[in-house]
Amino acid sequence: AQKVTQAQTEISVVEKEDVTLDCVYETRDTTYYLFWYKQPPSGELVFLIRRNSFDEQNEISGRYSWNFQKSTSSFNFTITASQVVDSAVYFCALGRAAGNKLTFGGGTRVLVKP
Amino acid sequence: DGGITQSPKYLFRKEGQNVTLSCEQNLNHDAMYWYRQDPGQGLRLIYYSQIVNDFQKGDIAEGYSVSREKKESFPLTVTSAQKNPTAFYLCASSRAANPYNEQFFGPGTRLTVL
Repeated sequence: AQKVTQAQTEISVVEKEDVTLDCVYETRDTTYYLFWYKQPPSGELVFLIRRNSFDEQNEISGRYSWNFQKSTSSFNFTITASQVVDSAVYFCALGRAAGNKLTFGGGTRVLVKP
Repeated sequence: DGGITQSPKYLFRKEGQNVTLSCEQNLNHDAMYWYRQDPGQGLRLIYYSQIVNDFQKGDIAEGYSVSREKKESFPLTVTSAQKNPTAFYLCASSRAANPYNEQFFGPGTRLTVL
């Protein structure tokens, strides 16, 4: 069975602080895909990144970075120098290569205060 | 502008009434999805469709029905059999129904049953 756990339900930081969101997943598949989505207050989910299970390279995109560690089944997301516009709910999701559905974690709400 | 539209944004219905939520995409995507989001929780898959005139049940299909008569449209009907229909409903689409392709989301419909 697929499972995604985002243990942090809410994180509050002051602008310019760094914030790391944890994502731990469970799967028996050897090939799978991991995603992060952002849900701003408007409600629409926005795709941030996709990573396949064979690519453990970390990735940086502007102030965003992702750390994928297969050994600990984790795919953590860091926002560096947070801004108020980063306030949103962030979801981690897992997709099976053999299937066509995504399993979402419960989400982490990030509140960045000015 | 390509994207997904959902209407209406807010919907109120009396208990026992069926209600249909609209979802339209002009991205020329083959696959479409319906998710339900409850407060503080992740997304749960209701139904998905890989191609016109075909659809499959997701994890929580009971009390819901869908149709896919046109590629660009995937309406969801919440029937009176759904025990707890009040929720935020999100529609998504992807180029094909495999987990490699990221899903694009609409702005959602918030349904309240009185």
